[in-house]
Formats: sequence, structure tokens, C-alpha cells
Amino acid sequence: DVKVTQSSRYLVKRTGEKVFLECVQDMDHENMFWYRQDPGLGLRLIYFSYDVKMKEKGDIPEGYSVSREKKERFSLILESASTNQTSMYLCASSKQGGVADTQYFGPGTRLTVL
Amino acid sequence: DQQVKQNSPSLSVQEGRISILNCDYTNSMFDYFLWYKKYPAEGPTFLISISSIKDKNEDGRFTVFLNKSAKHLSLHIVPSQPGDSAVYFCAVGAGSYQLTFGKGTKLSVIP
Repeated sequence: DVKVTQSSRYLVKRTGEKVFLECVQDMDHENMFWYRQDPGLGLRLIYFSYDVKMKEKGDIPEGYSVSREKKERFSLILESASTNQTSMYLCASSKQGGVADTQYFGPGTRLTVL
Repeated sequence: DQQVKQNSPSLSVQEGRISILNCDYTNSMFDYFLWYKKYPAEGPTFLISISSIKDKNEDGRFTVFLNKSAKHLSLHIVPSQPGDSAVYFCAVGAGSYQLTFGKGTKLSVIP
């Protein structure tokens, strides 16, 4: 079974703090993704990575950066957290490229920025 | 501008009856279509998919129908069960890595 784990289920941070969200997958998948889910907006792609040290912007990259130093780990960084970044953050991975490849999601991190 | 629309935020269905969830898309270049299911406090899980060369794909109680001319797909669940109560997301893509998700439809199956 594919397992995608996220470092925290709940996180509370203050405005202006630097925030790290960590994601680890254990199935040697090539691709990893970060989404945010907001009520009434569905899932929106922030960044994705198709290889170590490679990254691509998704639909809403502003205010975020990512790091992929190892194949199994993909980090989302909020350089200076703001209240409009309060959201549910979901990490996903897939074995290979292409939209036909199933994405496996982690349980999510609910981030609150005060 | 929404490329993928799920116009019903919620749907209630009696146990044993059919659930029909709908999704519309705007770009005819999309060639792969998926449904994901999400329970509270869990990540979405893949449910069923269909490519543009087909108009129907069936997996047990779940069937996805694709109408390319209308740019419309639907998910049928027959018979509906209380355990099917979840949020269902439609997702579309066109060969790249990126999927575009709809806003989701919350299905409630009433025992």
C-alpha cells in the first residue's frame, strides 16, 4: 500500500512566521504535489515536482516555495505566513508522469495563521 | 475562470437508490477524467477514471459516463450505501502532470 504521510495534522502559526510543511512517501514515486483545499474552491495545485531538485508552479504558487532534496520528501514553505494562507494542505504522490497516473494523497495538514 | 464545474455543492439520496454526480468542463483538450472521494479528516482517494476514447467505464457499483460533445461527465453510484457519504471531486487533465479539480459535491446517503 502506498503511504503518504504529512508531518502535522494541525498547525497554528502567527502572521509573518516561516512555516514548513513536510510530506514523505514510501513508494519510490517520481512525482509529488502540494494542494490546498478551501471551502467552495476545491483542490488547487500550488507546486509539483517530477524529480529530485525539480519543481514546477501550479495554479497558485504565490507566497509559497518548495524543496525536494530527496525523492521521498517534498516540503512546502510559507516564507512569511499570512491569514489568507489558513487552509487545509494536501500532499500527493504518483509513480510516473501523466494525468492517467493515480495520485495518492496524505491525510492533510490543517494550518491556521493567526 | 473555472475550467471544471461541479454545480451541485451537495446531494442527498436514500440508501439503495441511485446517486448521480455531475461535472462539466470547458476545454475540449482534456482527455482524461477522474473521480476522487474524500472523507472528513482524510486525504482524497482515487475512485474511477475514464479516457476520452471511451464513453463509459464501470467498476462495481460505480460507473462514469463521458459525453465529449457536451463536455460533461457523470458518476453513477448504484445502489447507494451510507458508507458512500463523502465529498466527491471531479478532476480532468490533458497529458501533463497537472490535474484540475472541481469544487466537489458532498453526497449524503440517508439510511
